[in-house]
Formats: sequence, C-alpha cells, structure tokens
Amino acid sequence: NAGVMQNPRHLVRRRGQEARLRCSPMKGHSHVYWYRQLPEEGLKFMVYLQKENIIDESGMPKERFSAEFPKEGPSILRIQQVVRGDSAAYFCASSPAGQGYEQYFGPGTRLTVT
Amino acid sequence: DQQVKQNSPSLSVQEGRISILNCDYTNSMFDYFLWYKKYPAEGPTFLISISSIKDKNEDGRFTVFLNKSAKHLSLHIVPSQPGDSAVYFCAGLNTGGFKTIFGAGTRLFVKA
Repeated sequence: NAGVMQNPRHLVRRRGQEARLRCSPMKGHSHVYWYRQLPEEGLKFMVYLQKENIIDESGMPKERFSAEFPKEGPSILRIQQVVRGDSAAYFCASSPAGQGYEQYFGPGTRLTVT
Repeated sequence: DQQVKQNSPSLSVQEGRISILNCDYTNSMFDYFLWYKKYPAEGPTFLISISSIKDKNEDGRFTVFLNKSAKHLSLHIVPSQPGDSAVYFCAGLNTGGFKTIFGAGTRLFVKA
C-alpha cells in the first residue's frame, strides 16, 4: 500500500500529557500538510512542510503545537500539554513537489483528551 | 472568516437521479477548486478539481461547474448511486501558498 500512512489511528491522552502524531507521505511525495477536523466542521489547515522546512504554519496555534518533517522518517505533529479542546481528528496529506492541488490524505488520527 | 461555504449540511437523492452539491467562496485569489469525498473514519478522497480559468470539468459521473462572477461552484453526480453516500467537501487552493481552505461539508444520502 503506497498511500499516506498515519499512526496511531486512535490516541487517548490525559490533560497535560504530550501527543505525537506521525505521518508517512506517499512514495515520491516531498510535501506534507496537516489538517484538523473538529466535530461537525470542515478540515482546517494547520501547517505545510517540505523536508526539513516549514513553509506555512499560519494555521497552527501559537503555543503547544509544533510540526517537523525531518530528512529521514515521518512527519511529526506534536501537541504539548494537551487540553480537552485538542480532541479532534488530525489528517495528514501529501503531494508531489509543486502540485499542492493534488493532495492525498491519510486515514487520520483521532485524538481524545480525557 | 469562512472563505469557502457549503450552506447545505445534508442532501437526500434517489438512486439514479442527479445530485447537485453547491459551494460558494469569497476569496478571489483561489487558483484551483477541489471536491473531496469522505466516508466515516477515513481520510478525504480527492474526487475532481477545476482550475479557476475553466468553467467546467468532467470526469465520468462527476462534473464540476465554476461560475466566477457569482463565486459559486457546484458538483453534479449523474447518475447517483448508493455508494456515493458520504460527506462531500469543497475546497479552494491558492497555489502561491498551497493552503487549502475547506468548506464545512455536505452529507449526501443516496436512497436505493
């Protein structure tokens, strides 16, 4: 399966803990995008990364959230000191270079903060 | 600021008939518009796109129409099938930033 992989699919964290969400892009894709979907809402753009570079993080909350896409390995979305309002589905998408209109999505990670 | 709006939360259609999903936008800088389909517990699946310089794009049973003067686009599914039942998201993309802005989605029910 050469699709976008996300893990874990479900993640439960207590308030104050850290959440780490992983995304492996499709083979040959060098661009990664993270989106968040709150219940009954559409997907909200968070951040756009290329290998070792954050291109656009205008959708990321200013505190507690960070993202990286290292030279080797998956992209990581990290949420520190989680709060109940962080409970949502987090989707990763990838695209070939220069083709942001052709984004392929992973199955998502559903984060629940208790 | 809702740059992409899908004003109908849900739509119910009989199998074999046409489904028309509507989308309005406010950002004139979008270069592309995309439609995604989403089943529960899965990620969105790309369906069809249209460049802002076109007014129609067709792919099998799916056709997207763009009316730039009205800042409106629509997705037509003909004929509708029960397997088309899903949430459909309209999205706009400015290729300068590659930030895709999604609407809230329309849930389509196709009745057999």
